[in-house]
Amino acid sequence: EVQLVESGGGLVQPGESLRLSCAASGFTFRSYWMSWVRQAPGKGLEWVANIKDDGSAKHYVDSVKGRFTISRDNADNLLYLQMYSLRAEDTAVYYCAREASVSWDYWGQGALVTVSS
Amino acid sequence: QSALTQPPSASGSLGQSVTISCTGTSSDVGGYNYVSWYQQYPGKAPKLMIYEVSKRPSGVPDRFSGSKSGNTASLTVSGLQADDEADYYCSSYGGTNNPYIFGTGTEVTVL
Repeated sequence: EVQLVESGGGLVQPGESLRLSCAASGFTFRSYWMSWVRQAPGKGLEWVANIKDDGSAKHYVDSVKGRFTISRDNADNLLYLQMYSLRAEDTAVYYCAREASVSWDYWGQGALVTVSS
Repeated sequence: QSALTQPPSASGSLGQSVTISCTGTSSDVGGYNYVSWYQQYPGKAPKLMIYEVSKRPSGVPDRFSGSKSGNTASLTVSGLQADDEADYYCSSYGGTNNPYIFGTGTEVTVL
C-alpha cells in the first residue's frame, strides 16, 4: 500500500525557517517524480515544487523561488521541503504527492504550516 | 501563473449529471493533453479522478468522465450520488517554465 506521511509542520514567525519531511512507503520511491502542493485555509490548491526521480531536476512556483528548496533522500525514501524567509501568505496545509502521468496519484494527509507573529 | 478558471459551484439532482468546466489558455489546457481532475472532501487530501484529459485511475467509477475542447476541459459526473458532493479541482501542465497550474475549484452540491 502506497503511503505518504508528512511531518514537520507548525507555527513559526514571519522570516523564520521550517523543514517539512515526507516519508514514502509501499512503492519504489526512487522511480518517481515527487511534488509538494499546498492549500491555504479556505482556498484552492497550489503546486509548489517538484523534483525528478533522481533529484537532478527541480522546479518551483514563482512565489517560492529563492526561498524554498525541495530535496530527496532515495536511500531512506524521504522527500523534503526546506522553507526560508516564511511569510504570512505561506500559511497552508502542505501535501506531498507522487507524480504519475503528469498528475498526482497518491497524496499524503498534509502538514499545517502557520506563519504568524 | 494565473489559475485555471472553474465555476465556483455546480449542482445536480440525485441520479442526474453535472458538468464542470476548466478554462485555460493555449499555453496550458489547450497546448497539452495533460489535464487532471481531483475530488476533495473538507479536511481531506485530494483524490485523483481523471488524468490525461479522459483516463480514469483504477477504482474510479465510470460515472466520472473527462474531455477537452480547445482551451477548455470538462469533468462530467453522471448518475450523481450523495457522496459525489465535494470540491473538484482541475490541473494542467503548463510547460517547463510553469509546470503545473490548478483550477480555482468547484463545489458540487447534490440536491
